[in-house]
Amino acid sequence: AQKITQTQPGMFVQEKEAVTLDCTYDTSDPSYGLFWYKQPSSGEMIFLIYQGSYDQQNATEGRYSLNFQKARKSANLVISASQLGDSAMYFCAIEAGGFKTIFGAGTRLFVKA
Amino acid sequence: GAVVSQHPSWVICKSGTSVKIECRSLDFQATTMFWYRQFPKQSLMLMATSNEGSKATYEQGVEKDKFLINHASLTLSTLTVTSAHPEDSSFYICSARSTGGFTGELFFGEGSRLTVL
Repeated sequence: AQKITQTQPGMFVQEKEAVTLDCTYDTSDPSYGLFWYKQPSSGEMIFLIYQGSYDQQNATEGRYSLNFQKARKSANLVISASQLGDSAMYFCAIEAGGFKTIFGAGTRLFVKA
Repeated sequence: GAVVSQHPSWVICKSGTSVKIECRSLDFQATTMFWYRQFPKQSLMLMATSNEGSKATYEQGVEKDKFLINHASLTLSTLTVTSAHPEDSSFYICSARSTGGFTGELFFGEGSRLTVL
């Protein structure tokens, strides 16, 4: 079975600063994918970034980067130059074996002006 | 990117009635769709995997007779909440992948907020 752990219920960051959202995972499958999604108050799920278990380099997408440490089973999301519009819930997710995607509890990010 | 559309976005119903939520992949064929449930301020909980042309696979603890899933075509999956009760009130979200395996993105519908009075 897969498991995702997000230990930060809420995080505050000053506008224009960088912030790291933590995510650890557990799976027995050697092949898996890790995802980060953003959910604003409207409820839609917005895909941010993806990291495959065999990818050698950390994934980056614009201001988002994923700090993938396979040995530690961690996949932290780094948001650089935070913007007010980044305030939202952020979910880390894993897909492995059976192609089901399991989500963590989420971290609510508050960006302060 | 691929588009998944859910309907209705909001639904209010009386206790004891059934409610159907549709999930459509608009510009791709989805052999597999996923249904999630989300309580306020909580994570998404996978309810079931909807497979085109076959029975859905339900997660442990999800009542299959309560939450009927039908995936009649490659672009449409429906979730029917039967004999709804107030405790079924929740945010239901469907998702689909445009290809098999990992593609880097799971496309989500807009979600359907169900309130049972």
